[in-house]
Amino acid sequence: AQKVTQAQTEISVVEKEDVTLDCVYETRDTTYYLFWYKQPPSGELVFLIRRNSFDEQNEISGRYSWNFQKSTSSFNFTITASQVVDSAVYFCALSERRLGNEKLTFGTGTRLTIIP
Amino acid sequence: AAGVIQSPRHLIKEKRETATLKCYPIPRHDTVYWYQQGPGQDPQFLISFYEKMQSDKGSIPDRFSAQQFSDYHSELNMSSLELGDSALYFCASSRQEETQYFGPGTRLLVL
Repeated sequence: AQKVTQAQTEISVVEKEDVTLDCVYETRDTTYYLFWYKQPPSGELVFLIRRNSFDEQNEISGRYSWNFQKSTSSFNFTITASQVVDSAVYFCALSERRLGNEKLTFGTGTRLTIIP
Repeated sequence: AAGVIQSPRHLIKEKRETATLKCYPIPRHDTVYWYQQGPGQDPQFLISFYEKMQSDKGSIPDRFSAQQFSDYHSELNMSSLELGDSALYFCASSRQEETQYFGPGTRLLVL
């Protein structure tokens, strides 16, 4: 069975500070995908990143960066120089590689509040 | 770029009524997923379809059914609605081994 743990329920930081959101996962599969989605107050789920289990390279996209460590089963997300628009709930998710069904198992989410 | 379309966006029903939610996937996507997100919770997988055949089933009540049609759109039918069915229902679509993209969701309120 798959499991995703986001231990941080809520985080508040002052604008321009850096913040890291933690994600730990469990799976018995050797091939899987990891994701981060953002859910702003409007409610939609916005895709941020997808990572293949074979690719442990860290990734940077603007102010966002992701650190994937297979040894600790973690896939952490860092926002640099946070902005008020970053305020949202962030979900880490996992899917196993299955033909026709790569359903997502989500963590419970981290509510991030950026204080102006 | 085209996105996943869901209708209606908002729906209010009484207990014991029925509801039908519709999802139009991104063109050329062959897989559709339905998720339910209760207030303050994470999205939970309900059911998926690959090439119009059901591919997996999650924690979907027996009162709910779904199908995918020949044009790849999907419908989630919910009968005998209960207060606890009030939630945000997401549809997502993807191509094989590619990212799932979510629609804007249908917010269902059962009174």
